[in-house]
Amino acid sequence: DADVTQTPRNRITKTGKRIMLECSQTKGHDRMYWYRQDPGLGLRLIYYSFDVKDINKGEISDGYSVSRQAQAKFSLSLESAIPNQTALYFCATASRVYNEQFFGPGTRLTVL
Amino acid sequence: RKEVEQDPGPFNVPEGATVAFNCTYSNSASQSFFWYRQDCRKEPKLLMSVYSSGNEDGRFTAQLNRASQYISLLIRDSKLSDSATYLCVVPGGGSQGNLIFGKGTKLSVKP
Repeated sequence: DADVTQTPRNRITKTGKRIMLECSQTKGHDRMYWYRQDPGLGLRLIYYSFDVKDINKGEISDGYSVSRQAQAKFSLSLESAIPNQTALYFCATASRVYNEQFFGPGTRLTVL
Repeated sequence: RKEVEQDPGPFNVPEGATVAFNCTYSNSASQSFFWYRQDCRKEPKLLMSVYSSGNEDGRFTAQLNRASQYISLLIRDSKLSDSATYLCVVPGGGSQGNLIFGKGTKLSVKP
């Protein structure tokens, strides 16, 4: 079974819709991250959380919000989706001791 | 200097070749570095961690030059399955423990 899972894996939606992407992990890690990846731009950090009560904005948080429901769950919401939020979204986790991040399989989101 | 910079490639090499990628970084205080591998439309996967001067794992060798602020990844005896994009990753500034991902170097190994 995968250590980091994301749902849905693919989603097509329309401009203005609210979308939630979910991430769950069984690695027991405290730290969780949300990234988006666009061609030619690499991975960019949206939000990160070091524990349930600690949420921080990343490089490109505008238009996004997150919720850390439990140590194992970290959700990303697009309150009103717009076409330039079309991208591949990755969740990642890391332990408090080591910096290595482990990624989920990604969610491909298309906003029409 | 950008936080992390990589040659985007693509590097097109024949099977069995040795290929090396370089990556430069700007934060001189960085202590740990990583190479990730990413296949097309898949998630990045950790390939190697580099905490001291270097690390070796089979056909892969990572080296760190702190004075010049670059890290390298050497792949010997390239296989078709090595075809992927290789991401250089360095710690971000501050105490957050965040990572900065390079845009990646694309490798294509041909028969």
